[in-house]
Amino acid sequence: QKEVEQDPGPLSVPEGAIVSLNCTYSNSAFQYFMWYRQYSRKGPELLMYTYSSGNKEDGRFTAQVDKSSKYISLFIRDSQPSDSATYLCAMSMEYGNKLVFGAGTILRVKS
Amino acid sequence: EAGVTQFPSHSVIEKGQTVTLRCDPISGHDNLYWYRRVMGKEIKFLLHFVKESKQDESGMPNNRFLAERTGGTYSTLKVQPAELEDSGVYFCASSPYFMRRSKFFGPGTRLTVL
Repeated sequence: QKEVEQDPGPLSVPEGAIVSLNCTYSNSAFQYFMWYRQYSRKGPELLMYTYSSGNKEDGRFTAQVDKSSKYISLFIRDSQPSDSATYLCAMSMEYGNKLVFGAGTILRVKS
Repeated sequence: EAGVTQFPSHSVIEKGQTVTLRCDPISGHDNLYWYRRVMGKEIKFLLHFVKESKQDESGMPNNRFLAERTGGTYSTLKVQPAELEDSGVYFCASSPYFMRRSKFFGPGTRLTVL
């Protein structure tokens, strides 16, 4: 069983839609949770960072962590074609240490 | 400010050959990480340098892989001899010492072993 499960998609939505991306994990030792965005032929770029359970909002992006369910989510409001990318969840047990990634979800926002 | 750079962007080699990948982190970043993504799999951690010291090399798959970071600046990852299963994209990331959560990734080196 993978430590982090993420549906690879692709997920296709119309412009302006609310997008919901999520990951589940099995290791309760994970404390730090991240979402990365990766455009084609580029490296991952950190979008959101959350410690432990709770919500965090940054502009059109909201990250949620539910440690009791071992479930994390990323919501994108008013999605734009420029949001089309692969979204990777990642988590770590200790601050700043090695990341364990999900497989990534391919998102396509159609104009 | 320049980001993390990696060289080459793409390398095609024959099985059994040697390849060396290079990573130049953002200037002043003490932490340097190597990750890789093989076909159809997740991005996986290989190792972590703090300056020139190996902090964690638990992800290195076997002794055919050798990473160095002489002088605490750029890093090299050598694969010798390369096997077919080493094909994938190798990413380097760096972060400042006191903001280790802020990892900046390079564009990756795509390695193809034939």
